[in-house]
Amino acid sequence: SQQGEEDPQALSIQEGENATMNCSYKTSINNLQWYRQNSGRGLVHLILIRSNEREKHSGRLRVTLDTSKKSSSLLITASRAADTASYFCATDLSGYSTLTFGKGTMLLVSP
Amino acid sequence: DTAVSQTPKYLVTQMGNDKSIKCEQNLGHDTMYWYKQDSKKFLKIMFSYNNKELIINETVPNRFSPKSPDKAHLNLHINSLELGDSAVYFCASSRPGVTDTQYFGPGTRLTVL
Repeated sequence: SQQGEEDPQALSIQEGENATMNCSYKTSINNLQWYRQNSGRGLVHLILIRSNEREKHSGRLRVTLDTSKKSSSLLITASRAADTASYFCATDLSGYSTLTFGKGTMLLVSP
Repeated sequence: DTAVSQTPKYLVTQMGNDKSIKCEQNLGHDTMYWYKQDSKKFLKIMFSYNNKELIINETVPNRFSPKSPDKAHLNLHINSLELGDSAVYFCASSRPGVTDTQYFGPGTRLTVL
């Protein structure tokens, strides 16, 4: 079974609003990463948070990690229409050399 | 310059045919991957490969085989294509080590008729 589960599956907001996406996972991890996929394109890495970190920022992105709850959240502040994309969390399982992706959250930001 | 490139972008073929998808990276990475993304956008690792080790997802049929002529290339060969192979296939690369960022190609949309 897959490791990461994003929630919600789809999110529709207006420009300027904040968007929050959550990811839950099942087993111990080395790190958790968030990727964005625009329609018809490949995935682009957004941010990586290590298992010993609790929060990380990158521009308008804020990621939190709660290893006790095995969950992470991605917050996009002051969203723009260009943020419309699918967002995936990926976990790097302890002892394994590959990433396991969730099913993604589809974000629609309307002007 | 494109970091990870794939060809072709679209591939339409008949059931039973054999086809290949090429992948090249100019990032100097040692590790390359192939992923399959189905119609529900679920992304599944198929292979990871560096110059020392090939790791195969055990759920991948042996009709799929990665071939690496050199460190910068990892091609995907598919024999006896089936309808269920229709998907978008992504190549990716990363530096050695389990925790690093992966860089993805633009994808190849395979349609099997």
